[in-house]
Amino acid sequence: KQEVTQIPAALSVPEGENLVLNCSFTDSAIYNLQWFRQDPGKGLTSLLLIQSSQREQTSGRLNASLDKSSGRSTLYIAASQPGDSATYLCAVSTSGGSYIPTFGRGTSLIVHP
Amino acid sequence: DADVTQTPRNRITKTGKRIMLECSQTKGHDRMYWYRQDPGLGLRLIYYSFDVKDINKGEISDGYSVSRQAQAKFSLSLESAIPNQTALYFCATSGNRFEQFFGPGTRLTVL
Repeated sequence: KQEVTQIPAALSVPEGENLVLNCSFTDSAIYNLQWFRQDPGKGLTSLLLIQSSQREQTSGRLNASLDKSSGRSTLYIAASQPGDSATYLCAVSTSGGSYIPTFGRGTSLIVHP
Repeated sequence: DADVTQTPRNRITKTGKRIMLECSQTKGHDRMYWYRQDPGLGLRLIYYSFDVKDINKGEISDGYSVSRQAQAKFSLSLESAIPNQTALYFCATSGNRFEQFFGPGTRLTVL
């Protein structure tokens, strides 16, 4: 059974810092990995989707990398801003799991001015 | 307009009442899902449907039922609500890239 872990559970940084959020998974036979952002009490917004054949995806100040062999993905946020404050979740899908994603519990990020 | 919509957005009800949460999507996706989110427990899958005729239980289906009325509509029912069903409920869809898209959520409180 796939297990997804996100460390740290919470992070507080000053504005302007570059930061890295981590996601690890136990079954490396993944189909894809998706990063989401969730604001308090709101729905999940898809940030980046990485297919198993890809090593990274970029969108604006966000860059997500994937290393299947080590069971890890990182989400890099450049020049963080207070508006980046949210919870970031990763989700991993495998073909053996009917492509239903397994979610991590998220990293709660606060960027203070 | 949002691709995945949920109604109602907020609902307060009493123990024992029957509740229906509705989800509609305009993305043309075959797959639809219902999750609940609780603080400290993350997202948990309640039911999922791969097409109109295919409905499957998730990890926490007890106390819930679903109906897939059309490709675009997937409803979740609580036959007799209890307080520990108080949570944030999300509907999601996915297409042939298996990328998930979420609705805005329904905050349900059972008194």
